[in-house]
Amino acid sequence: EAQVTQNPRYLITVTGKKLTVTCSQNMNHEYMSWYRQDPGLGLRQIYYSMNVEVTDKGDVPEGYKVSRKEKRNFPLILESPSPNQTSLYFCASSFGGRDTGELFFGEGSRLTVL
Amino acid sequence: RKEVEQDPGPFNVPEGATVAFNCTYSNSASQSFFWYRQDCRKEPKLLMSVYSSGNEDGRFTAQLNRASQYISLLIRDSKLSDSATYLCVVNRGGKLIFGQGTELSVKP
Repeated sequence: EAQVTQNPRYLITVTGKKLTVTCSQNMNHEYMSWYRQDPGLGLRQIYYSMNVEVTDKGDVPEGYKVSRKEKRNFPLILESPSPNQTSLYFCASSFGGRDTGELFFGEGSRLTVL
Repeated sequence: RKEVEQDPGPFNVPEGATVAFNCTYSNSASQSFFWYRQDCRKEPKLLMSVYSSGNEDGRFTAQLNRASQYISLLIRDSKLSDSATYLCVVNRGGKLIFGQGTELSVKP
Protein backbone atom coordinates (compact mmCIF):
# COMPACT_ATOMS: atom_id res chain seq x y z
CA GLU A 1 0.00 0.00 0.00
CA ALA A 2 1.35 3.42 -1.00
CA GLN A 3 1.84 5.49 2.10
CA VAL A 4 3.74 8.06 4.09
CA THR A 5 4.50 6.89 7.61
CA GLN A 6 5.33 9.19 10.49
CA ASN A 7 6.46 8.27 13.98
CA PRO A 8 5.67 8.95 16.71
CA ARG A 9 2.02 9.91 16.18
CA TYR A 10 1.78 11.47 19.61
CA LEU A 11 4.55 12.74 21.87
CA ILE A 12 4.73 14.77 25.05
CA THR A 13 8.21 15.97 25.91
CA VAL A 14 9.98 18.63 27.94
CA THR A 15 11.84 21.74 26.90
CA GLY A 16 15.35 21.04 25.67
CA LYS A 17 15.09 17.29 25.21
CA LYS A 18 16.15 16.47 21.66
CA LEU A 19 13.68 14.53 19.60
CA THR A 20 13.32 13.18 16.09
CA VAL A 21 10.13 12.62 14.15
CA THR A 22 10.68 10.06 11.43
CA CYS A 23 9.04 10.10 8.02
CA SER A 24 9.22 7.37 5.42
CA GLN A 25 7.51 6.96 2.04
CA ASN A 26 7.32 3.88 -0.17
CA MET A 27 6.34 5.55 -3.44
CA ASN A 28 9.82 6.42 -4.73
CA HIS A 29 8.93 10.11 -4.48
CA GLU A 30 11.66 12.66 -5.04
CA TYR A 31 10.01 15.54 -3.19
CA MET A 32 9.43 15.47 0.57
CA SER A 33 8.37 18.19 2.94
CA TRP A 34 7.51 18.94 6.56
CA TYR A 35 4.66 21.17 7.67
CA ARG A 36 3.30 22.32 10.95
CA GLN A 37 -0.35 23.17 11.42
CA ASP A 38 -1.53 25.56 14.12
CA PRO A 39 -5.01 26.98 14.76
CA GLY A 40 -5.54 30.19 12.81
CA LEU A 41 -2.23 29.86 10.97
CA GLY A 42 -2.94 26.98 8.63
CA LEU A 43 -0.24 24.73 7.21
CA ARG A 44 3.23 26.24 7.20
CA GLN A 45 6.21 24.66 5.54
CA ILE A 46 9.24 23.96 7.73
CA TYR A 47 11.71 22.33 5.34
CA TYR A 48 11.52 20.56 2.03
CA SER A 49 13.73 18.35 -0.09
CA MET A 50 13.70 18.08 -3.87
CA ASN A 51 15.91 14.99 -3.85
CA VAL A 52 18.52 13.05 -1.89
CA GLU A 53 21.04 15.34 -0.17
CA VAL A 54 19.09 18.44 -1.27
CA THR A 55 17.17 20.30 1.43
CA ASP A 56 15.83 23.86 1.66
CA LYS A 57 14.22 26.03 4.26
CA GLY A 58 10.52 26.63 4.15
CA ASP A 59 8.71 29.45 5.89
CA VAL A 60 9.35 28.49 9.51
CA PRO A 61 12.66 26.58 9.73
CA GLU A 62 13.93 28.04 13.01
CA GLY A 63 14.46 25.41 15.67
CA TYR A 64 14.33 22.49 13.22
CA LYS A 65 16.80 20.42 11.24
CA VAL A 66 16.27 17.82 8.54
CA SER A 67 18.34 15.40 6.53
CA ARG A 68 17.76 13.44 3.33
CA LYS A 69 20.36 10.70 3.15
CA GLU A 70 18.03 8.25 1.45
CA LYS A 71 15.18 8.85 -0.92
CA ARG A 72 12.53 7.27 1.26
CA ASN A 73 13.36 8.95 4.61
CA PHE A 74 13.13 12.57 5.72
CA PRO A 75 13.43 12.90 9.50
CA LEU A 76 12.62 16.12 11.34
CA ILE A 77 14.93 16.92 14.24
CA LEU A 78 14.18 19.26 17.11
CA GLU A 79 17.55 19.75 18.80
CA SER A 80 16.19 21.72 21.75
CA PRO A 81 12.41 21.78 21.68
CA SER A 82 10.55 24.74 23.14
CA PRO A 83 6.86 25.16 24.01
CA ASN A 84 6.24 27.23 20.86
CA GLN A 85 6.99 24.09 18.86
CA THR A 86 3.91 22.43 20.27
CA SER A 87 1.97 21.70 17.11
CA LEU A 88 0.59 19.13 14.70
CA TYR A 89 3.28 18.09 12.23
CA PHE A 90 2.74 16.57 8.81
CA CYS A 91 5.24 14.97 6.49
CA ALA A 92 4.33 14.85 2.81
CA SER A 93 5.82 13.57 -0.43
CA SER A 94 5.25 13.78 -4.16
CA PHE A 95 6.96 12.93 -7.43
CA GLY A 96 8.17 16.51 -7.70
CA GLY A 97 8.51 18.71 -10.73
CA ARG A 98 5.15 19.53 -12.23
CA ASP A 99 3.61 16.93 -9.89
CA THR A 100 4.95 18.63 -6.75
CA GLY A 101 1.48 19.79 -5.82
CA GLU A 102 0.04 16.30 -5.72
CA LEU A 103 1.13 15.61 -2.19
CA PHE A 104 0.62 12.49 -0.13
CA PHE A 105 0.55 13.28 3.58
CA GLY A 106 1.37 11.19 6.59
CA GLU A 107 -1.23 10.89 9.33
CA GLY A 108 0.41 13.60 11.43
CA SER A 109 2.43 13.76 14.63
CA ARG A 110 0.96 15.69 17.52
CA LEU A 111 3.79 17.10 19.60
CA THR A 112 3.46 18.78 22.99
CA VAL A 113 6.49 20.47 24.55
CA LEU A 114 6.11 21.29 28.24
CA ARG B 1 -1.47 40.22 3.06
CA LYS B 2 -1.23 36.45 2.75
CA GLU B 3 -0.07 35.04 -0.58
CA VAL B 4 -3.06 32.70 -0.73
CA GLU B 5 -6.33 33.81 0.81
CA GLN B 6 -9.57 31.93 1.27
CA ASP B 7 -13.00 32.71 2.64
CA PRO B 8 -12.60 31.94 6.34
CA GLY B 9 -15.98 30.27 6.78
CA PRO B 10 -17.43 28.31 8.37
CA PHE B 11 -20.04 27.58 5.76
CA ASN B 12 -23.11 25.89 7.23
CA VAL B 13 -25.36 24.49 4.51
CA PRO B 14 -28.23 21.98 4.31
CA GLU B 15 -27.86 18.70 2.48
CA GLY B 16 -28.42 19.12 -1.23
CA ALA B 17 -27.22 22.72 -1.32
CA THR B 18 -24.68 24.08 -3.76
CA VAL B 19 -21.71 25.78 -2.14
CA ALA B 20 -18.83 27.72 -3.66
CA PHE B 21 -15.41 28.41 -2.17
CA ASN B 22 -13.17 31.19 -3.39
CA CYS B 23 -9.43 31.56 -3.24
CA THR B 24 -7.17 34.36 -4.43
CA TYR B 25 -3.42 34.33 -4.87
CA SER B 26 -1.13 37.31 -5.07
CA ASN B 27 1.90 36.03 -7.01
CA SER B 28 1.37 35.94 -10.76
CA ALA B 29 4.30 33.52 -11.11
CA SER B 30 2.19 30.77 -9.57
CA GLN B 31 2.15 27.78 -11.86
CA SER B 32 -0.31 25.17 -10.71
CA PHE B 33 -3.24 25.01 -8.37
CA PHE B 34 -4.99 22.44 -6.25
CA TRP B 35 -7.83 21.88 -3.82
CA TYR B 36 -7.24 19.65 -0.82
CA ARG B 37 -9.72 18.35 1.71
CA GLN B 38 -8.90 17.93 5.38
CA ASP B 39 -11.16 16.13 7.81
CA CYS B 40 -10.98 17.08 11.49
CA ARG B 41 -7.66 16.00 13.04
CA LYS B 42 -6.67 14.12 9.88
CA GLU B 43 -4.14 14.67 7.14
CA PRO B 44 -5.00 16.76 4.05
CA LYS B 45 -5.83 14.78 0.94
CA LEU B 46 -5.78 15.94 -2.65
CA LEU B 47 -9.29 16.60 -3.91
CA MET B 48 -8.49 17.84 -7.37
CA SER B 49 -6.03 19.77 -9.47
CA VAL B 50 -7.28 22.97 -11.08
CA TYR B 51 -6.72 23.50 -14.78
CA SER B 52 -7.02 26.67 -16.82
CA SER B 53 -9.92 25.23 -18.79
CA GLY B 54 -11.77 24.30 -15.62
CA ASN B 55 -12.38 20.74 -14.59
CA GLU B 56 -15.11 18.67 -13.09
CA ASP B 57 -15.11 15.51 -11.00
CA GLY B 58 -18.61 14.34 -10.22
CA ARG B 59 -20.25 16.93 -7.99
CA PHE B 60 -17.08 19.02 -7.78
CA THR B 61 -16.07 21.71 -10.25
CA ALA B 62 -12.86 23.72 -10.08
CA GLN B 63 -12.18 26.91 -12.00
CA LEU B 64 -9.06 28.99 -12.50
CA ASN B 65 -8.95 32.60 -13.64
CA ARG B 66 -5.31 33.56 -14.15
CA ALA B 67 -6.10 37.15 -15.11
CA SER B 68 -7.88 37.74 -11.81
CA GLN B 69 -5.62 35.33 -9.88
CA TYR B 70 -8.65 33.55 -8.57
CA ILE B 71 -9.54 29.89 -8.01
CA SER B 72 -12.91 28.47 -7.11
CA LEU B 73 -14.41 25.18 -6.02
CA LEU B 74 -18.09 24.44 -6.49
CA ILE B 75 -19.78 21.54 -4.72
CA ARG B 76 -23.22 20.57 -5.98
CA ASP B 77 -25.79 18.49 -4.12
CA SER B 78 -23.85 18.63 -0.84
CA LYS B 79 -23.67 15.46 1.24
CA LEU B 80 -23.12 15.11 4.97
CA SER B 81 -19.81 13.46 4.11
CA ASP B 82 -18.62 16.65 2.40
CA SER B 83 -18.20 18.27 5.83
CA ALA B 84 -14.51 19.10 6.10
CA THR B 85 -12.04 21.94 5.64
CA TYR B 86 -11.12 22.75 2.04
CA LEU B 87 -7.62 24.02 1.39
CA CYS B 88 -6.55 26.02 -1.64
CA VAL B 89 -2.95 25.29 -2.64
CA VAL B 90 -0.74 27.17 -5.08
CA ASN B 91 2.54 25.91 -6.55
CA ARG B 92 4.99 28.75 -7.10
CA GLY B 93 8.26 27.49 -8.53
CA GLY B 94 8.07 24.19 -6.67
CA LYS B 95 7.07 25.85 -3.40
CA LEU B 96 3.56 25.00 -2.26
CA ILE B 97 1.62 27.73 -0.52
CA PHE B 98 -1.45 26.68 1.46
CA GLY B 99 -4.45 28.84 2.17
CA GLN B 100 -5.82 28.73 5.69
CA GLY B 101 -8.77 26.66 4.60
CA THR B 102 -12.53 27.09 4.55
CA GLU B 103 -14.59 24.94 6.86
CA LEU B 104 -17.76 23.39 5.48
CA SER B 105 -20.47 21.87 7.64
CA VAL B 106 -23.33 20.12 5.84
CA LYS B 107 -26.39 19.61 8.02
CA PRO B 108 -29.30 17.15 7.56
